[in-house]
Amino acid sequence: EIVLTQSPGTLSLSPGERATLSCRASQSVSSSYLAWYQQKPGQSPRLLIYGASSRATGVPDRFSGSGSGTDFTLTISRLEPEDFAVYYCQQYGSSPETFGQGTKVEIK
Amino acid sequence: QVQLVQSGSELKQPGASVKVSCKASGYTFTRYAMNWVRQAPGQGLEWMGWINTNTGKATYAQGFTGRFVFSLGTSVSTAYLQISSLKAEDTAVYYCARGDSTGYDDYWGQGTLVTVSS
Repeated sequence: EIVLTQSPGTLSLSPGERATLSCRASQSVSSSYLAWYQQKPGQSPRLLIYGASSRATGVPDRFSGSGSGTDFTLTISRLEPEDFAVYYCQQYGSSPETFGQGTKVEIK
Repeated sequence: QVQLVQSGSELKQPGASVKVSCKASGYTFTRYAMNWVRQAPGQGLEWMGWINTNTGKATYAQGFTGRFVFSLGTSVSTAYLQISSLKAEDTAVYYCARGDSTGYDDYWGQGTLVTVSS
């Protein structure tokens, strides 16, 4: 099973700042089958990025994904108030699908 | 528009069973897989497995074999998750999520809270 490790656990930033979230896999993720989800309290996860770098429908362009192999990054270029949430990476290239433990982006 | 609507919260005693439904609309049900994901209180997301909505074949992640069953309804576009012999540690929110052909989950149900307590 591929283990995904996200860092940092918590990111404390102010609106307007840039957020950089990391997701490291224990082995190579095939075909860059890596997704990012956003989850706000009391809500379902929302797909942001798939295929490591493709934005899902309706996702603002301040969200971008990059990386390949074992190292992936989600970048939020300028944090808006609605972006403070927990972010999860997921690999779906090999079974079982696995999620990272999450990074919480909180208001500083 | 694509929607996945799940059944409401459940409170069950240890040893009982529960069946969670997930009704899909806005797309051709049999063209996409249905995944199930568990989120224990205050914890992260855990993939439970998926069901092929064409064939009904279910695949379970380790840790979700035996007491967990994915199925499809005879009524239109509905997937089910049944959990038997419930334990306190099954207390969680259970999500259904539509699986794209490559495997990512593009639409999610609102979640069903299952609480197991005596």
